[in-house]
Amino acid sequence: ETGVTQSPTHLIKTRGQQVTLRCSSQSGHNTVSWYQQALGQGPQFIFQYYREEENGRGNFPPRFSGLQFPNYSSELNVNALELDDSALYLCASSWGHNNSPLHFGNGTRLTVT
Amino acid sequence: DQQVKQNSPSLSVQEGRISILNCDYTNSMFDYFLWYKKYPAEGPTFLISISSIKDKNEDGRFTVFLNKSAKHLSLHIVPSQPGDSAVYFCAASAGSARQLTFGSGTQLTVLP
Repeated sequence: ETGVTQSPTHLIKTRGQQVTLRCSSQSGHNTVSWYQQALGQGPQFIFQYYREEENGRGNFPPRFSGLQFPNYSSELNVNALELDDSALYLCASSWGHNNSPLHFGNGTRLTVT
Repeated sequence: DQQVKQNSPSLSVQEGRISILNCDYTNSMFDYFLWYKKYPAEGPTFLISISSIKDKNEDGRFTVFLNKSAKHLSLHIVPSQPGDSAVYFCAASAGSARQLTFGSGTQLTVLP
């Protein structure tokens, strides 16, 4: 069973740039969620995709957007990067809408300078 | 407004003793609660969960207790092992939304 994989593991960008983070879901999982974890805090929900459609969104501005592909892999795009966007970005996959636990990847560490 | 709170940033316990990690929540709509463990440079790993229709769930060395009237849950680890040293996150969700609200975590250190 292949787990959730994220790429890249680390990334440095300049304020104002755009970034794309990628995630491959765990085999058999059709729901993917993205979380932002700032230093010293717990993960914060950004949004969730189910069957290629956004299925819930947290308190993040529209410059955070995403995609889910037919193979259930996903991208997180962030436009107009700000210094406060520096964080660990976690992707999590699960099966369906029920309360099956989320399985997280190891994250992408984004630094905005 | 933090809807899920872990008021102890750190906890140290001797190997073999019980570790008790606490979590409080404010949103009465939460009906499903989870604990995750996180090692450095890794993503959170699911440990154990509990539905609001129960007050206790046990899995091996890990037991989660839920007190709905107090809006409080706790994770008991017994006996604690050095490999349990990690950051533990409490999380909650409401209905079928699947959106998890996390606490800020507690760093558990189990001393040999």
